Amino acid sequence: DIQMTQSPSSLSPSIGDRVTITCRASQNIGRFLNWYQQKPGKAPNLLIYTASVLQSGVPSRFSGSGSGTDFTLSIRSLQPEDVATYYCQQSYSTPMYTFGQGTKLEI
Amino acid sequence: EVQQLESGGGLVQPGGSLRLSCATSGFTFSNYAMTWVRQGPGKGLEWVSIISRSGDTTYYADAVKGRFTISRDNSKNTLFLQMNSLRVEDTAVYYCAKGTFNVGLGYYMDVWGKGTTVTVSS
Repeated sequence: DIQMTQSPSSLSPSIGDRVTITCRASQNIGRFLNWYQQKPGKAPNLLIYTASVLQSGVPSRFSGSGSGTDFTLSIRSLQPEDVATYYCQQSYSTPMYTFGQGTKLEI
Repeated sequence: EVQQLESGGGLVQPGGSLRLSCATSGFTFSNYAMTWVRQGPGKGLEWVSIISRSGDTTYYADAVKGRFTISRDNSKNTLFLQMNSLRVEDTAVYYCAKGTFNVGLGYYMDVWGKGTTVTVSS
């Protein structure tokens, strides 16, 4: 099974900061990497798919990059509403679409 | 508007059974694979099961294989998860998610329900 490892597990940036979250796959997954945002008490929400494609309706301050085994999610200028836990998920190994353990963003 | 609403959760004793449902609307249900994802208390997301558009292909996480059965009724736009031989570690919020698959883009879950809570306890 492909293992997904996110870092850091948590971080506490300030409003307006640029934030970067890293996700590493245990093997090459090409660009088959998705990012989800989960706000407290809510269901997850798709942010980015295929490593860098912004889902419709997601603010442009979010961006994704990477390929192979190393990926990043960036938030250009952190807003209060971005307080959430962020998860990466690989879709290379059909159908075992494993998630990372999550990165909790607190302001 | 695309909507998904899970139901059927509750409190059950170890060894018991529950059947979850996910009623959908706002999209052509039969055109999409569907997935169940769960989240234990204070834990991360865990992929549970997936079913193909027609329902003829299903896959399960090792943790639930042989105990859970995913199914769908395309005439009623509804997804199901039959859970048998429940264990304490199955306690979680269960989400249904609509999946989109494109060659070259992979598979991603672009619509999620609000979730239904399953508690397994004596």
